[in-house]
Amino acid sequence: DIVMTQSPDSLAVSLGERATIICKSSQSVLYSSNNKNYLAWYQQKPGQPPKLLINWASTRESGVPDRFSGSGSGTDFTLTISSLQAEDVAVYYCQQYYSTPSTFGQGTKLEIK
Amino acid sequence: EVQLVESGGGLVQPGRSLRLSCTASGFTFGDSAMSWFRQPPGRGLEWVGFIRSKAYGGTTEYAASVKGRFTISRDDSKSIAYLQMNGLKTEDTAVYYCGTGYYWITYWGQGTLVTVSS
Repeated sequence: DIVMTQSPDSLAVSLGERATIICKSSQSVLYSSNNKNYLAWYQQKPGQPPKLLINWASTRESGVPDRFSGSGSGTDFTLTISSLQAEDVAVYYCQQYYSTPSTFGQGTKLEIK
Repeated sequence: EVQLVESGGGLVQPGRSLRLSCTASGFTFGDSAMSWFRQPPGRGLEWVGFIRSKAYGGTTEYAASVKGRFTISRDDSKSIAYLQMNGLKTEDTAVYYCGTGYYWITYWGQGTLVTVSS
């Protein structure tokens, strides 16, 4: 199974500042035949299901604010929130869908400093 | 508007069975793969399994932790996906979510809580 490891486990950022979350996979999730990274990012607020933010490592889902961006390739990925808003307080997960079983990172809890 | 509604959760004793339903609307259910996930209280997300659409054989895949105990099925005439859970263990206690697709999941249900305890 591909192990997904996020860092940090928790993060406190001031309003308006940048937040950066790292996700590393134990093996590459880049499919060479189509040059796509099989990685998604989700946001989960308490008592709610996850919300898809980004797929293919960097494609923002419709309706997701452009302050959210994804980058990286192979085994190393980043979710960046360019200017933190109060409503961004949540737990963030990366997910690989390169191979079965699909696996998630352990989550990063984002709070306001 | 896409809606997914899980039902069937509750308190069950270890070793017993439970069937969850995921009732879908707002999209062509028969064309969609459907996935199940779970989240133990206060913990992270775990993929449980998925079922492909009939066009792709309607076949299933499962996590090792549930293989042989859980079965995913679908009734396209009713737009419902099922998760049959047999031989439940205390470690199966979680909120169970269904979702559309089997790569990334765009649409999720609100979840249903399954508590396995004596």
